[in-house]
Amino acid sequence: AQSVTQLDSHVSVSEGTPVLLRCNYSSSYSPSLFWYVQHPNKGLQLLLKYTSAATLVKGINGFEAEFKKSETSFHLTKPSAHMSDAAEYFCVVSVNSGGYQKVTFGIGTKLQVIP
Amino acid sequence: GAGVSQSPRYKVTKRGQDVALRCDPISGHVSLYWYRQALGQGPEFLTYFNYEAQQDKSGLPNDRFSAERPEGSISTLTIQRTEQRDSAMYRCASSGRGHGETQYFGPGTRLLVL
Repeated sequence: AQSVTQLDSHVSVSEGTPVLLRCNYSSSYSPSLFWYVQHPNKGLQLLLKYTSAATLVKGINGFEAEFKKSETSFHLTKPSAHMSDAAEYFCVVSVNSGGYQKVTFGIGTKLQVIP
Repeated sequence: GAGVSQSPRYKVTKRGQDVALRCDPISGHVSLYWYRQALGQGPEFLTYFNYEAQQDKSGLPNDRFSAERPEGSISTLTIQRTEQRDSAMYRCASSGRGHGETQYFGPGTRLLVL
């Protein structure tokens, strides 16, 4: 069994300040972890992913995330928020067991960026 | 090459009608997923194929929902006797088969059942 918990449904930051979107997961197997972003009326776009290589993963638009196995966390960060970062962000866990994929999305975190 | 495409992009139907939603994955992608996303919610897994085999249909909410991928490429999600609660965005994604493969999402079909 696996699950994803996004700890904040809404996060509000001022433009130019750091962003932290929290994600915790549980999984019986070694997971792959993803962050996707969804802008209003747009499709889902991959920001970054972790697949058991380097634990600090860099993604597009200055985002990065660190896989911490001991804390079962995969928090998303960005040093300085931009207005264009306002969107909804989804943390995703995927487990591959014998060629069979199980994918679970978190409920999403809406990021508001204040000018 | 082209990304994942879905059709129709919008579908308005009356309660009790059947609808068929189509997904055309990225060429060569083995795995295909269907999700449902209600307004203000995250995508909810419905079903998943490797090639033409339906590997997991545990997310289909009831027997009015079915999906097929007969030739291992295009997939159709069918909802029979639609109900108002079926209104949502239906998203399709495709990926390679390996561990940690990225899913590429289509634009979605917005279904409205009146």
